[in-house]
Amino acid sequence: QKEVEQDPGPLSVPEGAIVSLNCTYSNSAFQYFMWYRQYSRKGPELLMYTYSSGNKEDGRFTAQVDKSSKYISLFIRDSQPSDSATYLCAMSAGSSGSARQLTFGSGTQLTVLP
Amino acid sequence: EADIYQTPRYLVIGTGKKITLECSQTMGHDKMYWYQQDPGMELHLIHYSYGVNSTEKGDLSSESTVSRIRTEHFPLTLESARPSHTSQYLCASSKSVQAGNTIYFGEGSWLTVV
Repeated sequence: QKEVEQDPGPLSVPEGAIVSLNCTYSNSAFQYFMWYRQYSRKGPELLMYTYSSGNKEDGRFTAQVDKSSKYISLFIRDSQPSDSATYLCAMSAGSSGSARQLTFGSGTQLTVLP
Repeated sequence: EADIYQTPRYLVIGTGKKITLECSQTMGHDKMYWYQQDPGMELHLIHYSYGVNSTEKGDLSSESTVSRIRTEHFPLTLESARPSHTSQYLCASSKSVQAGNTIYFGEGSWLTVV
């Protein structure tokens, strides 16, 4: 079983919809949680970063962490065609500054239809 | 915005050829990484470096080699390319002390070996 599970999709929604992307994990030591967005044929870019449990909002994006359920979510409000990309969750236990400890999900491919 | 550059972006090369994928970053990060990603698949760490003259292999076995002679430069070399090496190669970097192990990716190098 993988340490981080992410629904691969693909997910297709109409413009303006609320999108929910999710990851589950098994390692209870994870305390740093990130969401990356990857456009086709590009490298991933950091979208949201949260520490421990709770919510974090940035514009149309909200990251939610529920450590008790080992479940994280990314919500996109008023989705736009420009949000069409693959979204990867990533998480780690330590803050040593090394991505050597990062564990990525496999990514969810999202398409927002105009 | 991350300043990490990869060249070439796209390369088609014959079997048996030697290739070097270049990666440079201007952020002064001491840690650098190479990931391999097949289309629609997970990111796999193949090499990482904690600083000059420090390199180690990642989780996924790779026939490629890396060097770190300068802080800003982390090239990846394949001595004899094979079709099984066809993939996307992503270079990344992070600060020595970075909360949450956030890393920054380049745009990737797409390698096709024919």
